[in-house]
Amino acid sequence: GAVVSQHPSRVICKSGTSVKIECRSLDFQATTMFWYRQFPKQSLMLMATSNEGSKATYEQGVEKDKFLINHASLTLSTLTVTSAHPEDSSFYICSARGGNEVTEAFFGQGTRLTVV
Amino acid sequence: RKEVEQDPGPFNVPEGATVAFNCTYSNSASQSFFWYRQDCRKEPKLLMSVYSSGNEDGRFTAQLNRASQYISLLIRDSKLSDSATYLCVVNFNKFYFGSGTKLNVKP
Repeated sequence: GAVVSQHPSRVICKSGTSVKIECRSLDFQATTMFWYRQFPKQSLMLMATSNEGSKATYEQGVEKDKFLINHASLTLSTLTVTSAHPEDSSFYICSARGGNEVTEAFFGQGTRLTVV
Repeated sequence: RKEVEQDPGPFNVPEGATVAFNCTYSNSASQSFFWYRQDCRKEPKLLMSVYSSGNEDGRFTAQLNRASQYISLLIRDSKLSDSATYLCVVNFNKFYFGSGTKLNVKP
């Protein structure tokens, strides 16, 4: 199956700093990438959808200036958590989908962010 | 109303049991449907797609009822290794996840 690589898998940062998470599709062109956040014992919550070469679409309640998403190529999307605070500590997962809209999404391994 | 709703469980069943999960969705224009499995602290992995005519993959059977807007997953002859959280996913331009149903299969 298709492979999506997400990096880093785990990061600890100080409050006020920024953290960048990368999501790469390794063997297919990801026209659409999704970013999710999952708090403990809760479901995956869609944060934003990005299409290659265009601005991301953010879900209601997600601050676009805090969670910067860049999808500059068909194989790479990045999520930058700016001025991170302890409440941003969560499990962030990306997923990628190819050109056919009905194909399933493939997930990265996830990034566990801890802000101290 | 949430786009996708699931019973969170947990469902505690003995090995060998048959267990079924349901999931309802709100958007009648939803295009495709999936069941994912998520183990603790891991990323979700595709278990199976759900087709209108229903589909089976070994011990797993998925069904879709568009009229009532729900999908189901049936697991037969449960194994200990089936213990996980099962996520219902509905696609209408974006992928929306249910909260997941936790399954515990006990010896």
